[in-house]
Amino acid sequence: AQTVTQSQPEMSVQEAETVTLSCTYDTSESDYYLFWYKQPPSRQMILVIRQEAYKQQNATENRFSVNFQKAAKSFSLKISDSQLGDAAMYFCAVVRVTYKYIFGTGTRLKVLA
Amino acid sequence: DAGVIQSPRHEVTEMGQEVTLRCKPISGHDYLFWYRQTMMRGLELLIYFNNNVPIDDSGMPEDRFSAKMPNASFSTLKIQPSEPRDSAVYFCASSPGAEHTYEQYFGPGTRLTVT
Repeated sequence: AQTVTQSQPEMSVQEAETVTLSCTYDTSESDYYLFWYKQPPSRQMILVIRQEAYKQQNATENRFSVNFQKAAKSFSLKISDSQLGDAAMYFCAVVRVTYKYIFGTGTRLKVLA
Repeated sequence: DAGVIQSPRHEVTEMGQEVTLRCKPISGHDYLFWYRQTMMRGLELLIYFNNNVPIDDSGMPEDRFSAKMPNASFSTLKIQPSEPRDSAVYFCASSPGAEHTYEQYFGPGTRLTVT
């Protein structure tokens, strides 16, 4: 069975600083995809970044980047130059080719002005 | 595109009543998903469809829950009879299924309160 673990229920970061959110997963599959989603207070789930497991290069989207360690089954999200609008719940998810997503329990990020 | 559309945004009903949640996926997307989000259980996949056909309904909690997708642009999730423990936010999501990107696009959710 697949599992996704986010060990940090809550994190805080000063505005303009950098923060890293942790995620580990367990899967026996060799072909899978990893995602980070953001859920602001509006509760809309927003795709932040995607990583294909077969790619060694870490994905980057503007201020968001990942540190993907396949052997360690780790997929952390780094947010640089944090902004007040980054405050939200962040969910890590893994999906196999079956399209069945498994989500972590989420990390609440607070951005301090 | 307008994105995934869900209705209603909020629903308050009494225990025992039938509840129907509606979803319109993004045009051209082959996959549609229904999720439930609660504080206790987090985000759970209830059921998903591919080309209007249910593929995996193992997450549907019990027979009181049913989902249909009569065509590519519409799906419903029905709870009959509803119970207070069904109170949650229900999300619909769709995925293009093309190029195996596996990206899902979520609707705004329906907050259901059963009293």
